[in-house]
Amino acid sequence: NAGVTQTPKFRVLKTGQSMTLLCAQDMNHEYMYWYRQDPGMGLRLIHYSVGEGTTAKGEVPDGYNVSRLKKQNFLLGLESAAPSQTSVYFCASGVAGSWSQYFGPGTRLLVL
Amino acid sequence: AQTVTQSQPEMSVQEAETVTLSCTYDTSENNYYLFWYKQPPSRQMILVIRQEAYKQQNATENRFSVNFQKAAKSFSLKISDSQLGDTAMYFCAFFLSGTYKYIFGTGTRLKVLA
Repeated sequence: NAGVTQTPKFRVLKTGQSMTLLCAQDMNHEYMYWYRQDPGMGLRLIHYSVGEGTTAKGEVPDGYNVSRLKKQNFLLGLESAAPSQTSVYFCASGVAGSWSQYFGPGTRLLVL
Repeated sequence: AQTVTQSQPEMSVQEAETVTLSCTYDTSENNYYLFWYKQPPSRQMILVIRQEAYKQQNATENRFSVNFQKAAKSFSLKISDSQLGDTAMYFCAFFLSGTYKYIFGTGTRLKVLA
């Protein structure tokens, strides 16, 4: 039981490049989330999904897109990376009732 | 809009001592949940403890307990018998039922001293 996994662990991009971050969970959770963590700012919600085929905007969605084609996967895309998107990105999943979130190990992204 | 405030950016405690981390939140709603997450140097976010707002009894998980004061909108975390492995960032989080969204505080960096 791997829990929540994220790919890749670390990536360096040049301004304007695109990339996709993959999040996978094997706990059959309905809800999935993408956060970014910046120094002194805690975790901020980018996008989230309440089920397969659904997505919704969070607090800081600009510059990102997401897709949830399969229940176990939640993809975060950067179409044209900017230095302001340098951050650590966390994926999380959760289930109704307890509302506890389970986090992946994070992806560190550096945009030059 | 809901907000979460952690007013202590950094704290330290001697090994085996007790420390309390503070968290306050602002909401006009009644049906919500509160969480404490731990983020050690490995960066992995780990759930420490959760509290349902409708429960008056404070949650406890081994050495970790909370002091939930609903009227004061306060949710502090007490760590007893602190261990070196408790050194981490601690985040308070608020979840409002029906919104599916969590709001995190800015964190408190705790250092346990040998």
